[in-house]
Amino acid sequence: GEDVEQSLFLSVREGDSSVINCTYTDSSSTYLYWYKQEPGAGLQLLTYIFSNMDMKQDQRLTVLLNKKDKHLSLRIADTQTGDSAIYFCAESTAYALNFGKGTSLLVTP
Amino acid sequence: AAGVIQSPRHLIKEKRETATLKCYPIPRHDTVYWYQQGPGQDPQFLISFYEKMQSDKGSIPDRFSAQQFSDYHSELNMSSLELGDSALYFCASSERGAGETQYFGPGTRLLVL
Repeated sequence: GEDVEQSLFLSVREGDSSVINCTYTDSSSTYLYWYKQEPGAGLQLLTYIFSNMDMKQDQRLTVLLNKKDKHLSLRIADTQTGDSAIYFCAESTAYALNFGKGTSLLVTP
Repeated sequence: AAGVIQSPRHLIKEKRETATLKCYPIPRHDTVYWYQQGPGQDPQFLISFYEKMQSDKGSIPDRFSAQQFSDYHSELNMSSLELGDSALYFCASSERGAGETQYFGPGTRLLVL
């Protein structure tokens, strides 16, 4: 099947903004999600956006959705060392979530 | 707020053994999903249940089976374990008609030796 694509790595300095990009495949996805996974831990739902929106802001997180290009991004403002983790974008298909490969975010002091 | 509970958190088995993983969804959630995440991989959908009936099937091997019980908890049964079954197994739950956002449990880490 088609893949949800994300860049594999991102390194930023503490206090800078991080932008993680994702290209999804299913134009009929009702919701698009961002999950965070810390080493050895579970998947934490960070935020999601309904497909008829183009932006959603939640504290330090901003999600942008370009439906025409099937492009989703997650911006983390004032990135902290505790934000270091793997970030997965996921599209909702008819029956389950289809995940990207994940972007490893490294925040350096 | 209550979260998805999975047990056990860690499990070590030998090849050809069987394993049973349990999942307790968030109260009022009627749908349960199972995912498998191999080392360095993204989660892959295995199977889901809605109102105690199998809803959809993904890449679940024939050696695996699952069910959802009357109290909505679910069990994933894995037989004839292989080395390649070593992975993190996640359960997620959602409430149909309420956005269907899936909330994940902490996972069960299975190691097959």
